[in-house]
Amino acid sequence: QVQLVQSGAEVKKPGASVTVSCKASGYTFTGYYMHWVRQAPGQGLEWVGWINPNSGETNYAQKFQGRVTMTRDTSINTAYMELSRLRSDETAVYYCARDRTSLWSLGDLDYWGQGTLVTVSS
Amino acid sequence: DIQMTQSPSTLSASVGDRVTITCRASQSISGYTAWYQQKPGKAPKLLIYKASSLESGVPSRFSGSGSGTEFTLTISSLQPDDFATYSCQQYNSYPYTFGQGTKLELK
Repeated sequence: QVQLVQSGAEVKKPGASVTVSCKASGYTFTGYYMHWVRQAPGQGLEWVGWINPNSGETNYAQKFQGRVTMTRDTSINTAYMELSRLRSDETAVYYCARDRTSLWSLGDLDYWGQGTLVTVSS
Repeated sequence: DIQMTQSPSTLSASVGDRVTITCRASQSISGYTAWYQQKPGKAPKLLIYKASSLESGVPSRFSGSGSGTEFTLTISSLQPDDFATYSCQQYNSYPYTFGQGTKLELK
């Protein structure tokens, strides 16, 4: 069965960076784009971007350009999202989510990780 | 960016009721709409994709419709497990965007 297992909660100071990992199992990791979505407490979902695990190609929301880096390690079926220069209003749960469509990004997300709470506080 | 506006923000209903949630896009999104269900402390779950296609394993009481800029999610007969928050998403153009969510609560 498809599973996405994310790394544990993080506490960071404003201005720091955080890296969240997402280990995939139960399917061909390189066959499906991986997205990252975040959700601030009590707020709606916000799309951060995607990575093509096969090629390493990325596509980030303009809002995060220059601060986000998505990478992958195909030897261990794991995707990573690094967000730098964190602000206190970026406390949120960060999710990885698999694109439903194989081999390209259509954008609907069929499997999600359990979420990683990133708390940004001085 | 395309804005997705959901209504209502909160919906009170009873088991067995038929309910409809609406999502309006700020411009046409050609049917590239998905609906998700989310329970407290859990990740979203895909219910509907491409406006009206039912995700595998999702009960048939869930249905989606719409085109252009207006889309709806309907639950034909509410079950106790359906009380949750529902969000729409557009994936017609970047950045993908979500509605603010509709909380479905027990009346």
